[in-house]
Amino acid sequence: DQQVKQNSPSLSVQEGRISILNCDYTNSMFDYFLWYKKYPAEGPTFLISISSIKDKNEDGRFTVFLNKSAKHLSLHIVPSQPGDSAVYFCAARNAGNMLTFGGGTRLMVKP
Amino acid sequence: EAQVTQNPRYLITVTGKKLTVTCSQNMNHEYMSWYRQDPGLGLRQIYYSMNVEVTDKGDVPEGYKVSRKEKRNFPLILESPSPNQTSLYFCASSLRQLSSYNSPLHFGNGTRLTVT
Repeated sequence: DQQVKQNSPSLSVQEGRISILNCDYTNSMFDYFLWYKKYPAEGPTFLISISSIKDKNEDGRFTVFLNKSAKHLSLHIVPSQPGDSAVYFCAARNAGNMLTFGGGTRLMVKP
Repeated sequence: EAQVTQNPRYLITVTGKKLTVTCSQNMNHEYMSWYRQDPGLGLRQIYYSMNVEVTDKGDVPEGYKVSRKEKRNFPLILESPSPNQTSLYFCASSLRQLSSYNSPLHFGNGTRLTVT
């Protein structure tokens, strides 16, 4: 059973608009959450993270929101740019410092 | 340039023929790990190593072996590959095991393996 789920395999957004990528988890012991971005033929790269003691973390155009009661986090990209087109993975860390990844969401930003 | 290097990038082999995928990092990282990526399943951890001579199983270790004789190298060995090991493999490293903003995982560019 997947403990971290990204229920939208793909998302298409117009350039300049907001992209919202969602991630749900089941393990309440996860204490840290990360987002990774992956371009074709490359490995994932770290994008942004949030501790479970916070509900928001912002870095430039990227903001991650955490709703612990709903076991839900989201990544907001504003404004979206064509270069943001990639696959985005959310990941959660457990007490043993192990990362569990979601299945990924492919974001396409149309010019 | 700081990086994680995997070789080969592409590999096609037949069932049962032993193969090794190499991984090397030049950042003096303690922690190294192997993942496989399959459609809809995201990245699943195969094996990891917290330091030289210390390795442990991840979520899907069956059919794989690893070794960590030197800090910079962490090869993935498939003694008898089977078609269900056809996948995209990533090696990753981080300064410490702790995955956080100050110790994020750095990934290689991947090895696409096909076992026929």
